[in-house]
Amino acid sequence: DQQVKQNSPSLSVQEGRISILNCDYTNSMFDYFLWYKKYPAEGPTFLISISSIKDKNEDGRFTVFLNKSAKHLSLHIVPSQPGDSAVYFCAASEENAGNMLTFGGGTRLMVKP
Amino acid sequence: KAGVTQTPRYLIKTRGQQVTLSCSPISGHRSVSWYQQTPGQGLQFLFEYFSETQRNKGNFPGRFSGRQFSNSRSEMNVSTLELGDSALYLCASSVPRNSLTDTQYFGPGTRLTVL
Repeated sequence: DQQVKQNSPSLSVQEGRISILNCDYTNSMFDYFLWYKKYPAEGPTFLISISSIKDKNEDGRFTVFLNKSAKHLSLHIVPSQPGDSAVYFCAASEENAGNMLTFGGGTRLMVKP
Repeated sequence: KAGVTQTPRYLIKTRGQQVTLSCSPISGHRSVSWYQQTPGQGLQFLFEYFSETQRNKGNFPGRFSGRQFSNSRSEMNVSTLELGDSALYLCASSVPRNSLTDTQYFGPGTRLTVL
C-alpha cells in the first residue's frame, strides 16, 4: 500500500519554463511534507518543506503547494534550469512517528537547454 | 558545518556474510535514521535512533539491526546477507522532531553489493 505516490515517473521541460512535480498521499495523519532532489549515487538533498497548517511555502525558485482536502502537493520550479535535472522525491511524516519519512517513488526531471 | 558522513562508501560482500555500516550525523543532531533505496522498492525507512534508543522501525526482517552511541554516531548491521540486500543505504540526521519544521539531512550513502 503506497501511502505517497508520484504518478509521473519522468518530466521534460524547456529551460526557463515552469516545472510542476506532483505528489499524492493517502494517509490523513501526515502533517509535514518535504521535497528532496537526488542525483545518482548521492544522498537526497533537502529542497523545501511545508507543514499541514500552511497551503504554500516559497524559497527562491521553489514553491510547494499543499491541498489537504485533495491530499495533494506540488512543487513548482520557476524558472527551470538545466542544473535542476535530477530525480525529485516527495516525502511525508506523521507527528507521532518521530522522524520516519515515507517517500514517493520519485519523478525524473529533465530540463533541456 | 560538516554534513552527514557515511563509511564505507562502497562495499562488496557475498551471500551469508554480515556487514556493518557507519554514520556520523551533523554536529548537534541527535536523531539518526536509516533508509534503504532499491530500484524496485524505492526509498524505504529502516529505523530511527534517538538518545541511543530505537524510536521507530520499518518493515524489515530482524537481520537488519542498528545502534546509536552516546556521541550520536550510528551503525547498522545486516546479517546473513541476501542478494536482495544489494542497495544504497542512506543515513539521515536531524534534531529530534518537536516541531513542524525539523528536517532530515542525508549523507551520501553506502552502496552495498551482495554477490
